[in-house]
Amino acid sequence: DAGVTQTPRHEVAEKGQTIILKCEPVSGHNDLFWYRQTKIQGLELLSYFRSKSLMEDGGAFKDRFKAEMLNSSFSTLKIQPTEPKDSAVYLCASSLRGEQYFGPGTRLTVL
Amino acid sequence: GQQVQQSPASLVLQEGENAELQCNFSSTATQLQWFYQSPGGSLVSLLSNPSGTKHTGRLTSTTVTKERRSSLHISSSQTTDSGTYLCAIDRFSSGSWQLIFGSGTQLTVMP
Repeated sequence: DAGVTQTPRHEVAEKGQTIILKCEPVSGHNDLFWYRQTKIQGLELLSYFRSKSLMEDGGAFKDRFKAEMLNSSFSTLKIQPTEPKDSAVYLCASSLRGEQYFGPGTRLTVL
Repeated sequence: GQQVQQSPASLVLQEGENAELQCNFSSTATQLQWFYQSPGGSLVSLLSNPSGTKHTGRLTSTTVTKERRSSLHISSSQTTDSGTYLCAIDRFSSGSWQLIFGSGTQLTVMP
């Protein structure tokens, strides 16, 4: 079985650009999560979908972060406009019965 | 306050020694997962252990739900065990369960 896939693996953006990160969950998983990971803050939940419905939109991240799940096998995370403080690793995870499986992440650098 | 606390923050061992990692959580949890993250890598689920003791390979996790703590024991450590070990519990929010992560234990195993 293919695990969670994320593209791109690395992204470099100029401040103010729009970037879109992509995620394909494990086939058959109902839940999909987007996290941001930094050394200072650790892992922070950005968005959570259950059966394609947005359950959690990340509170403080609502402003410039928008996650969408167009179908059960594909999700995007748009950051618009990007700021240098958005530099982090963005992880996507999916689960079926609670246990989460993570993708390899996208390392974003905003200059 | 922080819902999931891990200790120690970092640990250095000689190859062959055993490691004991601790996770304390401030709210009741129905799901507790231990994850491993290699330097620059993604998260890999090691064990899902909401209560009792579970073994897999050289790993043993013991969770005492009433005392809100879990431990991860790594026996006969190897250099390839080096990385970050994260503990996560679930939290009910927005009508669904999500994971809250601790800040991790950075393990370094020296040859």
